Parts: sequence; structure tokens; C-alpha cells
Amino acid sequence: GDSVTQMEGPVTLSEEAFLTINCTYTATGYPSLFWYVQYPGEGLQLLLKATKADDKGSNKGFEATYRKETTSFHLEKGSVQVSDSAVYFCALSRRLAGGTSYGKLTFGQGTILTVHP
Amino acid sequence: DGGITQSPKYLFRKEGQNVTLSCEQNLNHDAMYWYRQDPGQGLRLIYYSQIVNDFQKGDIAEGYSVSREKKESFPLTVTSAQKNPTAFYLCASSILLRGTGVPQEQYFGPGTRLTVT
Repeated sequence: GDSVTQMEGPVTLSEEAFLTINCTYTATGYPSLFWYVQYPGEGLQLLLKATKADDKGSNKGFEATYRKETTSFHLEKGSVQVSDSAVYFCALSRRLAGGTSYGKLTFGQGTILTVHP
Repeated sequence: DGGITQSPKYLFRKEGQNVTLSCEQNLNHDAMYWYRQDPGQGLRLIYYSQIVNDFQKGDIAEGYSVSREKKESFPLTVTSAQKNPTAFYLCASSILLRGTGVPQEQYFGPGTRLTVT
């Protein structure tokens, strides 16, 4: 079955440090890939997405590139801020036969990021 | 403003009681989903629905029930048969693009934290 593996957390960084959160996946076919962010006590917000190989998703300084050859979708940010402290989830949604686009999301376990001033 | 609302934010129940969690969306999305989140884990799919009056079991449907009588609403009932109901419950919705096969991102509500004692 489909699966998503994220790097173990928690990750603790100083403000303005470089961030990488690794994400690899296993899925048949051509999944769409997503990064979601969850702030304490809240629901998930879509951070960025990529729907085909070599696509780069970007938003709010975060980037991730869909690498089919390594089945990866690593999240990066050049300079983190205290306000980036949250839990980050990598997820995939696999295309289904017949052109249906509804996607059951398969999530990684989440990576807790804490940024200190 | 379009979005997804879940109520209440916190819910307390005694063991053996059924409880219904509300989810409403005004995004005009066809598909709606219920997830469960436990500490340190990713999200797990309980039920999903692509269209009014139709829904399917997700990965952990036992002890839960849903209805989809209106496009905007997808309430979840946690029954007394659910062995470990204390969790954070998240509702989500997405559009369906029939024919493209490209999975679309899901939009999440703020969640309901259910505690059963």
C-alpha cells in the first residue's frame, strides 16, 4: 500500500537557520504530493503541492521538488522564523483508475519544528 | 469567507455515550472526509464521501458512522462501540475534477478535540 516516511523529529533550529525536512514515499502510479502545516491546537493548512515529477511547489519561502527517481519530496526553507514553529506533514494522494480525482491522503507521521530566537 | 467549520472545539463525554461531531463547508466542494489524529501520529482516514447520500469507509471506520444528506454537511457520530474514542478529529473537503485523474488538495477545518472518560 501507499506510505509516506518523514524524518524523525523534533527538529530544533535557531532563527535564520536553513531547514530541511526529508520525506520519501511509496506509491504505485503517479501520486500528487503535499506538505501541510499544523499550528498548535489547529487544523492542517496546505503549505505547498506538486502534481507531477520535477514540479516544484513553493509558498511563504518554503519549497519542495517532486523527485520521482528518488521518490522524495523534501521540504526546505532558507531562513526560518520563530513563527514557522509547527508540525509539518508530508502527504500523498494517488490518482485512481477511471479519472476520478478524489484523493485519499496518506500522511507521514509529522515532524515537529521548533525555532528559537 | 469560505471555509470549513467544526463544532464544538472541545467535547467531553462519558464512556458508553454516542456523540456527534459537526462539520459544515461553504466551499461548494463535492468531497468530504473525516480523519482522526492521535499524539505523535499522522492522520488516519475514518470515512469519506464524494457525493450526497453516498459515503465509503476509510482505514479505521469501526465504531464510527456518518451521513451526507446535504452537500455542505458531513457529521460524524462516534459510537459507544469505538474502543478508544479520545482523539483530535479533523474534517476536510476537496473539489472533484472528473476525468483529469489529478488528486486535488484537501482543505481542513479547525478540528474537534473529543475526550471520553
